[in-house]
Amino acid sequence: AQSVAQPEDQVNVAEGNPLTVKCTYSVSGNPYLFWYVQYPNRGLQFLLKYITGDNLVKGSYGFEAEFNKSQTSFHLKKPSALVSDSALYFCAVREDDMRFGAGTRLTVKP
Amino acid sequence: DTGVSQDPRHKITKRGQNVTFRCDPISEHNRLYWYRQTLGQGPEFLTYFQNEAQLEKSRLLSDRFSAERPKGSFSTLEIQRTEQGDSAMYLCASNPLGGSQETQYFGPGTRLLVL
Repeated sequence: AQSVAQPEDQVNVAEGNPLTVKCTYSVSGNPYLFWYVQYPNRGLQFLLKYITGDNLVKGSYGFEAEFNKSQTSFHLKKPSALVSDSALYFCAVREDDMRFGAGTRLTVKP
Repeated sequence: DTGVSQDPRHKITKRGQNVTFRCDPISEHNRLYWYRQTLGQGPEFLTYFQNEAQLEKSRLLSDRFSAERPKGSFSTLEIQRTEQGDSAMYLCASNPLGGSQETQYFGPGTRLLVL
């Protein structure tokens, strides 16, 4: 069965600095990988996904993610963090059903 | 298109009571999913529908849980004889009919507290 791991519970960055939120996955077939963001007391908002093609995927709010097949990773990145990016970020992999990681809390400090 | 909606947004109940949640998916989305999210965890799959047919149920879905989507549009999730361990956020998502590459769009969730 598919699974994802988010090795960091918390990531802290200063506003204006680049950010990376890590995700590794395990699937038996072709991976369909997703990133979602969750603000307090809200549902999940879709950011981006990798299905096939270019390993660098661009998504909403300036986020991008790099698919690395050899390292089975799909890290979320942003060149310049904003305070408003502070939220909970979930990586997910979908083979049959969707499996989510435990989440990474991103805090961007002014 | 107003997105996925869920009602109520919050529910407080006493142990042993029954509760029912409603989800209205994005119109024309054939597939509808229910998830449960506890504090500090990612969403966990409970069940999904393709139109009115319930195609898969997780082992997390005990006998006290039942879900319906009678007309292939909105769905309800009922929990009978609630327990304190049922306290969680219940999320609904939908996507068009398609393969695993389809994006699931989530509602705002229903937060349940069982006292």
